[in-house]
Order: sequence, then structure tokens, then C-alpha cells
Amino acid sequence: DGGITQSPKYLFRKEGQNVTLSCEQNLNHDAMYWYRQDPGQGLRLIYYSQIVNDFQKGDIAEGYSVSREKKESFPLTVTSAQKNPTAFYLCASSIRGPTYGYTFGSGTRLTVV
Amino acid sequence: AQKITQTQPGMFVQEKEAVTLDCTYDTSDPSYGLFWYKQPSSGEMIFLIYQGSYDQQNATEGRYSLNFQKARKSANLVISASQLGDSAMYFCAMRGGSGAGSYQLTFGKGTKLSVIP
Repeated sequence: DGGITQSPKYLFRKEGQNVTLSCEQNLNHDAMYWYRQDPGQGLRLIYYSQIVNDFQKGDIAEGYSVSREKKESFPLTVTSAQKNPTAFYLCASSIRGPTYGYTFGSGTRLTVV
Repeated sequence: AQKITQTQPGMFVQEKEAVTLDCTYDTSDPSYGLFWYKQPSSGEMIFLIYQGSYDQQNATEGRYSLNFQKARKSANLVISASQLGDSAMYFCAMRGGSGAGSYQLTFGKGTKLSVIP
């Protein structure tokens, strides 16, 4: 079945470490997105990519980095520059156009220890 | 710029009753799509219903319907015959029809719905 796979489901990071969250889709979607969600809050856009080897910053890109070397994959690295990384991270993909919503992964919960 | 406003941080509804979750939006795009997602405590985002800006009729999907009032820029979600499993966060979202807006979904802050037995 087609869908988006995020891994791991839970991730613990020590202070000063970089960690990478995985996001893979087999829906043949061009666009992929990363969102951050804090408790009781809405979704804030970190980065998005419309096509392979191209990506743009969202509203809260500082302290994060991404790559898009393959259409199917859009990993997110949370760097040590991100001062408050504890949050729930959601990856999504979509077809271009206003009539299409996103397909979401099941999320990764990152905790700094 | 696009903006979604959900003014109800939390709501309660009695089981089997209907409930309306409010959503207003702002955009300069003539073509856009409106979406509602449900997020249970597990965190997954579940697509519920879609309404296109040019659609003449309100969208319906089972117990979900969207009360679309274009002149008022509102897209309220109506859940009929609430069930305990409807307890979750609900997000309204919009996607524009051109430029960068055609890629991005803009989300509201969400409404937490609690269904009371």
C-alpha cells in the first residue's frame, strides 16, 4: 500500500547532538514537507521541497536542515543549533494544486534528555 | 498571505449530539481548497473532508459536513451524531491556487473536541 513512513517513532537526543529524522514516501508525490507541532499547538512549517535537489525554508527553519536527493526521501536533521527541539515532527507529501491535501506520516516524537 | 482562524480552543459535546467547529479564512487567491483534519492522541493526521472554492454545494463525507459560506469566508465543520471516538484535535487548513500557496497547506491552531458519554 502507498503511504509515508516516518522513523523512528520516538527519538531521544542529548544536548549538543545532531539527529536525523527519516521520511520516505511511495506515493510518487513531487512535494514533501516537514512540520513541527508543540503540545496543544498547531503545525508550523519547517522546510518544504517541490522537486528533487530543491527545497525552501518554512516559517521556523533555524536549527534544522534537509536534503532531497531522491523523490521518495526527505530527511530532516535537527542540529545542535536548535535550542528547543523537543516536539512532535510530522512529514507530509502532496500533489501540486489546491484540490489536493497532504498525506501525513505517523510522526516522530523527539525529546532532549 | 493566507490565514486560518479557529476561535474555539476546546469544545465539549454530548455523545450522539451534533457539533459545529468554526473556521474562518483569509486569502486573495480566487481558487483555493479548504480541508479538515482530525488528530487523535496518537498524533496521526487523518483527512476528513475537502471543499473547493468553486464548489456550489457543501461537501459531505459520512457524518462530516462542511458549512461553506464563501462571502463570509467561513468553512465550519459539522459532525453529526458524535461518538466517543470523535474526541480529538481538529484542524482547518487551506491551500491556495497559485504560486507558493499552491504547495503549502496553511493550518489553524486547532480545536480540541471532547465527547461526553
